[in-house]
Amino acid sequence: EAGVTQSPTHLIKTRGQQATLRCSPISGHTSVYWYQQALGLGLQFLLWYDEGEERNRGNFPPRFSGRQFPNYSSELNVNALELEDSALYLCASSYLGGEIPYEQYFGPGTRLTVT
Amino acid sequence: AQSVAQPEDQVNVAEGNPLTVKCTYSVSGNPYLFWYVQYPNRGLQFLLKYITGDNLVKGSYGFEAEFNKSQTSFHLKKPSALVSDSALYFCAVRPRSNDYKLSFGAGTTVTVRA
Repeated sequence: EAGVTQSPTHLIKTRGQQATLRCSPISGHTSVYWYQQALGLGLQFLLWYDEGEERNRGNFPPRFSGRQFPNYSSELNVNALELEDSALYLCASSYLGGEIPYEQYFGPGTRLTVT
Repeated sequence: AQSVAQPEDQVNVAEGNPLTVKCTYSVSGNPYLFWYVQYPNRGLQFLLKYITGDNLVKGSYGFEAEFNKSQTSFHLKKPSALVSDSALYFCAVRPRSNDYKLSFGAGTTVTVRA
């Protein structure tokens, strides 16, 4: 079974530009989650999508946005990049189990560097 | 508000010795609890989870975790550590609600010396 895949592996942008990160979930998983792992800030929840809808978002500004496509893949867009957006962005997927807490499976991440 | 604490930034053990990585949480209700491991330049790998029932949960790669409700702790353990267990370990919680996001601890770096 293929795992969660993310592209690109690395992304270098300059301040003010836009970045687009992509994620393909494990086959059969309908939920996709995005997390930011920044140096010194740990892992922080960004966004959760399920069945094409945004279900929850973390404490991030609106310039962080995304979407989920009919095939359950997802994009994370970061507009007006700032230096502090430099981080590893992790995508995870899971079944949506209602009361069953299915674990989230993570991709290898996209390393975004803003210069 | 929910929070997860991993009180030790680093844990160092000799190969073959027991390994314990500590985690305490502050979440209303009875949350779901998870352990993940991250190897350098890799994503997180799921190790185990606690839902309900037996306080001792067994997971992947010989790891287990002990849930203690009165101490609100969920410590990760391995009876005999391997050099290959050297990695960054994260404890995470998810409330028993429709909020599916995980809240992570700051992580504990484990170094197992040969």
